[in-house]
Amino acid sequence: QKEVEQDPGPLSVPEGAIVSLNCTYSNSAFQYFMWYRQYSRKGPELLMYTYSSGNKEDGRFTAQVDKSSKYISLFIRDSQPSDSATYLCAMSVRQGSNYKLTFGKGTLLTVNP
Amino acid sequence: DVKVTQSSRYLVKRTGEKVFLECVQDMDHENMFWYRQDPGLGLRLIYFSYDVKMKEKGDIPEGYSVSREKKERFSLILESASTNQTSMYLCASGLAGAGAYNEQFFGPGTRLTVL
Repeated sequence: QKEVEQDPGPLSVPEGAIVSLNCTYSNSAFQYFMWYRQYSRKGPELLMYTYSSGNKEDGRFTAQVDKSSKYISLFIRDSQPSDSATYLCAMSVRQGSNYKLTFGKGTLLTVNP
Repeated sequence: DVKVTQSSRYLVKRTGEKVFLECVQDMDHENMFWYRQDPGLGLRLIYFSYDVKMKEKGDIPEGYSVSREKKERFSLILESASTNQTSMYLCASGLAGAGAYNEQFFGPGTRLTVL
């Protein structure tokens, strides 16, 4: 079983829809849980992060973590065409005296006007 | 504004060539990373460095080496390029001492094709 599983999609929704993106993980040592957004022909950039179980909201975006189920989600409300991108979940784990990120494969989202 | 730059956006090389991919960051970050990104496989860590002249293997280091002679610069080297190294290569940097909050800032990527 891979450490992080993410459905690659693609996911296509109409403008204004609520989008749900999900990842599962197997490593209980993961600490921070992040969502990166990657536009076409660009590098990923951090969208949201959370540490504990529960919800964290930022505008139209909500990140949710359920550590007991090893499941994280990103919800996008009132989705816009500008939200069209690949969304990658990432999880931070200690490696020696440092930390590294383990990424999901990414979900390609298209929001149609 | 945070900036990670990579030397080339697109690169075409022949099998067996030695290839250098350069990455420079202007944020005074201690940590730097090299990933490759492939369809269906996602982002995979090749090597990372947490200090000048220090390096650690990531998940897929075979066929690659790295060099970090200055804090702001991290180079990925393909000693003898092979076709299975055709990929998108992404460099990232991040602060040390941030603990598990390991935010990484990415460059735009280099699309390498090995013929």
